[in-house]
Amino acid sequence: KAGVTQTPRYLIKTRGQQVTLSCSPISGHRSVSWYQQTPGQGLQFLFEYFSETQRNKGNFPGRFSGRQFSNSRSEMNVSTLELGDSALYLCASSLNSGTDTQYFGPGTRLTVL
Amino acid sequence: AQSVSQHNHHVILSEAASLELGCNYSYGGTVNLFWYVQYPGQHLQLLLKYFSGDPLVKGIKGFEAEFIKSKFSFNLRKPSVQWSDTAEYFCAVNAGGYQKVTFGIGTKLQVIP
Repeated sequence: KAGVTQTPRYLIKTRGQQVTLSCSPISGHRSVSWYQQTPGQGLQFLFEYFSETQRNKGNFPGRFSGRQFSNSRSEMNVSTLELGDSALYLCASSLNSGTDTQYFGPGTRLTVL
Repeated sequence: AQSVSQHNHHVILSEAASLELGCNYSYGGTVNLFWYVQYPGQHLQLLLKYFSGDPLVKGIKGFEAEFIKSKFSFNLRKPSVQWSDTAEYFCAVNAGGYQKVTFGIGTKLQVIP
C-alpha cells in the first residue's frame, strides 16, 4: 500500500504571497490532519478533516485554511505569507477520526523569504 | 487544553547504555498516548501507543513505555541503545475523541558508537 504523499516537497515563496500544499492519504483513510513543524515549537496541530468536514482546528490564524475532497485528498492554503511561516508542513492520515493511528507523509518544506 | 512536556531535549549516550526519555502530559480525562520517532531524513513513524489495558506497552525495535496515570507520565525506555537509534523522539497525546494530537517538543537522541 502506498504511503502518505505530499506535494510539492520544497517551496520557496516571498512574503505576502500565498501557497497551496497537497496531501494524498493512504488509500481507504478518511481522516487527514495537518501539522506545522519548526525547531523551536515542535509539531503543532493545524486542523483535521474527516469526510470533507473540518473536525478540529488548532490555534493558528485564519490565514491558514484547508479543505478535503471526496477522494480524501486534502489541500492546505496559507495566504499572505509571513517569514514565521517557514516550516515543515506535515500531513498525517488515519482510517477514521478519533483514536486511529496516524501515518505521516514526508512533509513540504516551505521557506518564506 | 492538553499539553505534553518532554524533559530532555538532547540526549547523548554510548552504545549499549540504557535509555529513558521522560514525558508528562496534562489532561484530566481519558487519553491515548504515543511515541513517534523521526530518523534522519525519514518520515515520522509510530514507535508505540497506549490506548487502554496493560500500562506497559512494547513497541518496535525493543522500545517500551510505561503509562503511570497517577503521575501523568508515559516514559520511553530501551535497555540497550544502538547507533541506529539516533533520531528525534516525540511523545504525543490525544484526548477528547477527535484526531487532535498534541506533540511534545521532541528529544534528539545521539548514540555514539
